[in-house]
Order: sequence, then structure tokens, then C-alpha cells
Amino acid sequence: NAGVTQTPKFRILKIGQSMTLQCTQDMNHNYMYWYRQDPGMGLKLIYYSVGAGITDKGEVPNGYNVSRSTTEDFPLRLELAAPSQTSVYFCASSYPSGLAGGLPYEQYFGPGTRLTVT
Amino acid sequence: KNQVEQSPQSLIILEGKNCTLQCNYTVSPFSNLRWYKQDTGRGPVSLTIMTFSENTKSNGRYTATLDADTKQSSLHITASQLSDSASYICVVSQYNNNDMRFGAGTRLTVKP
Repeated sequence: NAGVTQTPKFRILKIGQSMTLQCTQDMNHNYMYWYRQDPGMGLKLIYYSVGAGITDKGEVPNGYNVSRSTTEDFPLRLELAAPSQTSVYFCASSYPSGLAGGLPYEQYFGPGTRLTVT
Repeated sequence: KNQVEQSPQSLIILEGKNCTLQCNYTVSPFSNLRWYKQDTGRGPVSLTIMTFSENTKSNGRYTATLDADTKQSSLHITASQLSDSASYICVVSQYNNNDMRFGAGTRLTVKP
């Protein structure tokens, strides 16, 4: 059981290039999320998905696109990369919102992708 | 505005000592509060989750407290170890898990 995996671990892009960050989970979670983490700041939600075929914007969606064709995969697409997109990107997954035994469901994070745009 | 503020920003303690990290939030209505540990170069890992009705939760040497009236939480680490060196992040949810607000974290360094 690998949990949440992300590729690549590191990437350097030139301004205007495009790329896709891959995220896969093997826990059969319905919910998946993409966050970005900038130095000295809290994680910010970019997009999330509540199931295959359903995606929705988070707090900072501009400049990104997502798709969810399967339960396992939730790729994040950067079109026309800009220096402001330099960040560490984390993918996460969880069971649906609600309570399991009285507690909210756990959210599991991948190891992150460090992206630099120059 | 729904915000989560953590203090201190960074902290250095000696191995074996205790420490307490603070989290204040303005997120409303409140659903739950989580503490995560994030090692350098890794994703966050959950330590505790507390709902409105809980005011303390322990996970080994980690004990989290919650005062929903004053909108404050703390994470107490007992008998610190070198492996406790990490960032500790407070996360507060509004309505449901899709609307989670993350604090900037406290960077803890444990020295021998």
C-alpha cells in the first residue's frame, strides 16, 4: 500500500512552458486535493475532487487545471508557467467528508513536488 | 476573515525538554481542528484531530488541547526527541474537510 505518490519530485520550468504534476493514490479514497506551499505560508488549496469526473476550485485555482478520470489519479496541469507558480505542490486524499467513529476522516498527503519557474 | 495564526514562528529546545505550540483561529463556524507534523522535504502527517466537543487529545508524547470558546488550541510535546524536529501545522476546518485553513506552522528544532 503506497498511499499517495507524486511525480516528479523536482522540476525546473522556463516561463511559458507547461507541465503536468502526477498524483496517484491506492487507498480507494473518493476525495483528492491539490495544495501549494510557499515559504512561510500555510498550504493553500488549488483544486479538489469529490470523485471521478467531479472537480472544483479551491482558494487559488488561477493558472492551473485538473481532471479526474479515475478514482486513483488526479493530475494537476500548469499552462504557461509563471515565476509566481514557484512552490512546493502537495497532493492529498481522504474518504468523503463526514465522520468516521465520531471523528472527521484523515487526510493523507503525498511527498510533494518542488517546482521552480525561471 | 477565516484565518489560522500560529506562534511562535520557530522554536529551539534541548532534547528531553517539553514545549508548547500555540494556534489561534477565527474560522467560523468551526468543524474540527487538526495538528500535523511535517518533516523537511515531506508531506504533512496527521497527529491529532479534535471536534467541537473534545478539549484534549493525546498521541504518544503529543497532547493537543482545544478551547472552542476562545478559539485557541495548543500542542504540548513532552520529553522532546531529536526526531521531533519538524514543522507543526495547525489546520482548522469550516463546514467540512474541503474547506481547511492551514496555519503557517511552527518550526521546532530539538538540539542534543
